[in-house]
Amino acid sequence: AQSVTQPDIHITVSEGASLELRCNYSYGATPYLFWYVQSPGQGLQLLLKYFSGDTLVQGIKGFEAEFKRSQSSFNLRKPSVHWSDAAEYFCAVVDAGGTSYGKLTFGQGTILTVHP
Amino acid sequence: EAQVTQNPRYLITVTGKKLTVTCSQNMNHEYMSWYRQDPGLGLRQIYYSMNVEVTDKGDVPEGYKVSRKEKRNFPLILESPSPNQTSLYFCASSLHEGAGAVNTGELFFGEGSRLTVL
Repeated sequence: AQSVTQPDIHITVSEGASLELRCNYSYGATPYLFWYVQSPGQGLQLLLKYFSGDTLVQGIKGFEAEFKRSQSSFNLRKPSVHWSDAAEYFCAVVDAGGTSYGKLTFGQGTILTVHP
Repeated sequence: EAQVTQNPRYLITVTGKKLTVTCSQNMNHEYMSWYRQDPGLGLRQIYYSMNVEVTDKGDVPEGYKVSRKEKRNFPLILESPSPNQTSLYFCASSLHEGAGAVNTGELFFGEGSRLTVL
């Protein structure tokens, strides 16, 4: 069964510092990978996605992520964090090559706190 | 405005009292899904629907029912709620292009329904 692991439950950074949130996945050959963000009291919003092609993908709000097949990772990065980036971030995967059409699996989430 | 609307947003109920959480989307999306969110567990899929009259179980379907009689609506039914169903519930939808095509995973989420079962 496919699975997604976000090793960091909670990360704290200072405003203006760089950020990297880790995501590792485990399963079949052809993943569709996503990062979603959840602001307090809100639903989830798609930040970026990887389907194929260039392994470095750009998203909204200045975020980017890099797909590394050899490491089964899809880490999210931002060069300079803003206080408004404080939220919970979820990595997710769809097994595009499997039979579980419609199954999007989420990681446990990483809570980001930003200090002024 | 494109949106997924859930109701109610907040509900406190008692064990065994049937309830329905409604979900409606106005984007003509084929794919709809229900998730529950619990601290430390992320989002877990309850049920999903690839199209009208097509539903399937997710990871945690026990204690829940769904129906998809119309494309825009996907209600979640708790026939006999129990305290372990206390959670934050999200409905989501996405465009799913044709039979056999994989769900793109680009989900649009509702704002969530916080359910407490006493």
